Amino acid sequence: AQSVTQLGSHVSVSEGALVLLRCNYSSSVPPYLFWYVQYPNQGLQLLLKYTTGATLVKGINGFEAEFKKSETSFHLTKPSAHMSDAAEYFCAVRSAGGTSYGKLTFGQGTILTVHP
Amino acid sequence: NAGVTQTPKFQVLKTGQSMTLQCAQDMNHEYMSWYRQDPGMGLRLIHYSVGAGITDQGEVPNGYNVSRSTTEDFPLRLLSAAPSQTSVYFCATWGQGFGYTFGSGTRLTVV
Repeated sequence: AQSVTQLGSHVSVSEGALVLLRCNYSSSVPPYLFWYVQYPNQGLQLLLKYTTGATLVKGINGFEAEFKKSETSFHLTKPSAHMSDAAEYFCAVRSAGGTSYGKLTFGQGTILTVHP
Repeated sequence: NAGVTQTPKFQVLKTGQSMTLQCAQDMNHEYMSWYRQDPGMGLRLIHYSVGAGITDQGEVPNGYNVSRSTTEDFPLRLLSAAPSQTSVYFCATWGQGFGYTFGSGTRLTVV
């Protein structure tokens, strides 16, 4: 079984401030981890993903995330928020093997608000 | 390439009506899935398929049927719509080396 918990359904930051969106996962086998962004009334866009290799993953729009196996975490960060970052963000996990072939499990989502 | 195409984009149904949400892909991906998105609950897996003729239930399958007669198509059927099925529905495929590709969604309202 696999699951994802996103801590904080709403995060508010000022423009130029650090963005930190928290994600913890559980998986019985090595995970693949994803962050998606959804702008209002749009579909999902992949920000970044971790499969194997380097644990610090860089994505689009200046976002990055670090896979920490010991903490079962995959937090998303961006050094300086921009107004255009306002959106809903989803963390997701897919097990690399076992019976969960292809299944992608999502967290509850975090709505990011950026204040001028 | 169109990727994943969902139709319709918007739909309003009356309670008890039936309808089919269409999902078509042109990437030859074996894996296809349906999710529903509700506020504060993220996306939850309804049904999925690992190839033509093979389907299985996800996290929230009740009230929905699927079939997979071809690689390209994976329709989602609501046999008797209920207000609790008001949601945004996403179809997604997965392919080795490609990752996940999502459709643009179908916004369904059941009144």
